[in-house]
Amino acid sequence: NAGVTQTPKFRILKIGQSMTLQCTQDMNHNYMYWYRQDPGMGLKLIYYSVGAGITDKGEVPNGYNVSRSTTEDFPLRLELAAPSQTSVYFCASSPPPDRNYGYTFGSGTRLTVV
Amino acid sequence: GQQLNQSPQSMFIQEGEDVSMNCTSSSIFNTWLWYKQDPGEGPVLLIALYKAGELTSNGRLTAQFGITRKDSFLNISASIPSDVGIYFCAGQLDSNFNKFYFGSGTKLNVKP
Repeated sequence: NAGVTQTPKFRILKIGQSMTLQCTQDMNHNYMYWYRQDPGMGLKLIYYSVGAGITDKGEVPNGYNVSRSTTEDFPLRLELAAPSQTSVYFCASSPPPDRNYGYTFGSGTRLTVV
Repeated sequence: GQQLNQSPQSMFIQEGEDVSMNCTSSSIFNTWLWYKQDPGEGPVLLIALYKAGELTSNGRLTAQFGITRKDSFLNISASIPSDVGIYFCAGQLDSNFNKFYFGSGTKLNVKP
């Protein structure tokens, strides 16, 4: 049971570079999310998706983009990396609200922008 | 965004002691969740609470959904070294939408 798989686990970017954080889930969950976790802080929602082809902004979307072409995949794109985007990024998925509400999280991508 | 105030921020306890932590909000939530995050891993769901006043246990863990619906509590009894980690609360405003707001976490350290 893979659950939610994130790649890469670690990445160092230079200011202005771009990258895509990959996220895939094999539980056929409709809902998928991207969170960032800054040191000593809780999780902040960046973007979420309620199904293929549908995405929406969360609390901190600036500097990021997402797409959801399939149920399984929800990549997060950083176009012009900035030091403020140094963080640990978590992808999560869940079934619709009428069932078990809990998210299943991936193990995270630790990103450093220098 | 919504503010969830989680306290304490960190705790240092002796193995065998009981632990209490809580989460408060200025908004009324429909669902409360408690997660545990081990170092280098994503959070894992411990307990879910769906009704005001609900008390739910998972082994040595017990969580309660506050009567006002603006708070929740997590207790760990007889702590053991593997309880070390960061505990997060998460609240859901709208039961029609699966979107949660997270507290800043309580970091638990257990001395053997």
